[in-house]
Amino acid sequence: GESVGLHLPTLSVQEGDNSIINCAYSNSASDYFIWYKQESGKGPQFIIDIRSNMDKRQGQRVTVLLNKTVKHLSLQIAATQPGDSAVYFCAENRHTGTASKLTFGTGTRLQVTL
Amino acid sequence: EAEVAQSPRYKITEKSQAVAFWCDPISGHATLYWYRQILGQGPELLVQFQDESVVDDSQLPKDRFSAERLKGVDSTLKIQPAELGDSAMYLCASSFGQASSYEQYFGPGTRLTVT
Repeated sequence: GESVGLHLPTLSVQEGDNSIINCAYSNSASDYFIWYKQESGKGPQFIIDIRSNMDKRQGQRVTVLLNKTVKHLSLQIAATQPGDSAVYFCAENRHTGTASKLTFGTGTRLQVTL
Repeated sequence: EAEVAQSPRYKITEKSQAVAFWCDPISGHATLYWYRQILGQGPELLVQFQDESVVDDSQLPKDRFSAERLKGVDSTLKIQPAELGDSAMYLCASSFGQASSYEQYFGPGTRLTVT
């Protein structure tokens, strides 16, 4: 099958442990930040988003933290499972004139070991 | 569950040939996006439609790439002529509207290999 991101930063985590994936963003004017999960051979899948006026948002087994002071975003996955193995991308939503668009960061490959 | 459909899933073509990709967004989604994803990188926006109108094509190489969404529903992205550097995954996404561009749903992509 297809291998996405042969040279991506890789995080290796044991099943059941918590995972933390980090991302730095560049535009302080971005109004939303989003995490996507991309499995091999598939398109990115929405995980969770956070508005710029928040600093934390929780979903099912996932938490996103936003630190606007240092322009840093993190995704925490609790009790990591083998099905969480994928490449994770952060994205920021920017307004450009009449349009809004997502700009994606560098992905991180999460490998879950048994 | 509604999904974004894309075809073909895989395409191999020789350089200088023409190639076309098709996308059908989630029903009711007015905004449609085409992205290119090079192996190991995040997706990069090529063109964005609001209904049948292009709202952003600043990153579309217009000498060889074209995109249309004639009836404001499905869309076609064309490359003519294809070059070796065009080998990539081409992703289509849709959102309810421009204001919800942060909530985009992606299709499975078309993997293009140019030989």
